[in-house]
This record gives sequence, structure tokens and C-alpha cells, in this order.
Amino acid sequence: KNEVEQSPQNLTAQEGEFITINCSYSVGISALHWLQQHPGGGIVSLFMLSSGKKKHGRLIATINIQEKHSSLHITASHPRDSAVYICAVTATGANSKLTFGKGITLSVRP
Amino acid sequence: EPEVTQTPSHQVTQMGQEVILRCVPISNHLYFYWYRQILGQKVEFLVSFYNNEISEKSEIFDDQFSVERPDGSNFTLKIRSTKLEDSAMYFCASSRDQSIEFFGPGTRLTVL
Repeated sequence: KNEVEQSPQNLTAQEGEFITINCSYSVGISALHWLQQHPGGGIVSLFMLSSGKKKHGRLIATINIQEKHSSLHITASHPRDSAVYICAVTATGANSKLTFGKGITLSVRP
Repeated sequence: EPEVTQTPSHQVTQMGQEVILRCVPISNHLYFYWYRQILGQKVEFLVSFYNNEISEKSEIFDDQFSVERPDGSNFTLKIRSTKLEDSAMYFCASSRDQSIEFFGPGTRLTVL
């Protein structure tokens, strides 16, 4: 069974801090997604990774396929980064089906 | 910027009634998805749709559920006889090439 685990469950940071959110999964995957869900419920795709590292603005996502682990880093965090960050994977051979983690609630205090 | 839209934003229905949730995916996208999120729980995959047929579905997507792309622009999710446990936020998503998915704002379904 494919499990996606995220840690920590809740995270509070001070504005300006460097933040790391972790994701681990239990099966071989073809892709890993990082998503952001705002308090109103809307979901935004941040990254899709199958190897290495991607950067977009203050966000960096890395993946280690051998260790079945990915991290999302936020540099110079800001209160507007407060949201739920969700990791989701497509298992190898699963075509398009995404399996989601529970998400991490991030609060950035001014 | 093109976006996925969903209607209605909130649907309240009585148990046993049929509901149709509507989505308009981004116009040049070819892959379409429905997800649901029960309050306080994680997002769950329901179904993916490509080339006018279901390409994959989860165990949640039983005979009570169906999807359709009736007119080349809308993508609908029908629940034939709603149950209390169908209460959730339902998200539609689309992608051009099975890579990044663009999500709609969701429809909150409340079954009484």
C-alpha cells in the first residue's frame, strides 16, 4: 500500500526564517507533487519532480529517489506563505492517480 | 491566465438525491480529474479521464459515481444517490500532458 507521510504535522515560524517541510513515501514513483492549499480551500500546484531539484522564487523542492524522500524549502518566509503544504505521488504504473499526504499546516508569524 | 472553474461553489442536497457537479477545464488540456476532500482529512483521488473515457478510478468511485464530458468544454461528476458520507469538497483538475495539474476552486457538497 502506498503511504505518503509528511512531517512535521504543524509548523510555526517567524517571518524571515528558512523552512523545511519533509515528505516520505513507501513505493516506487514516477513523479512527486508539492501542492499548496490556502485557508479558503483552493489548491495550487507548486512543483512536479521526478528527480533532482527545482526552484521557483523562494521555493525549492528536492527529491531523493533512492531514499524515497522529498523536501520543500521556503527561504525568507513571509506570513503570506501560511497555508497547508501537501505532498502527493504518482506510483510507478499508476498512470495518473495521485496519492496524497495529510499536509502540513504552516503558520508564519510577522 | 486560464483557470479551471467549478459550479456551484456550494451545493446542499438531501440524502438520496442526485447531484451533478460541474467543471470547465482549461481549454487546451486533455486530462481531467476529480478529487474529494472530506473536512479535516486528506485529498483523495476519485477518477481520471482522457480521450472521452475513464483512464483510472479509485475504490471510492463506485457505481454511484459517473463522469461525463458532454459538450467538449464541461466535465461533470454525477452522484446518483447521495449519502451523508459524500459530504466533502470536490475538486476538479486538468492538465495538458499528465504533468502539472491545475485545480479548480472546489464545490462544497453538503448532504443532509
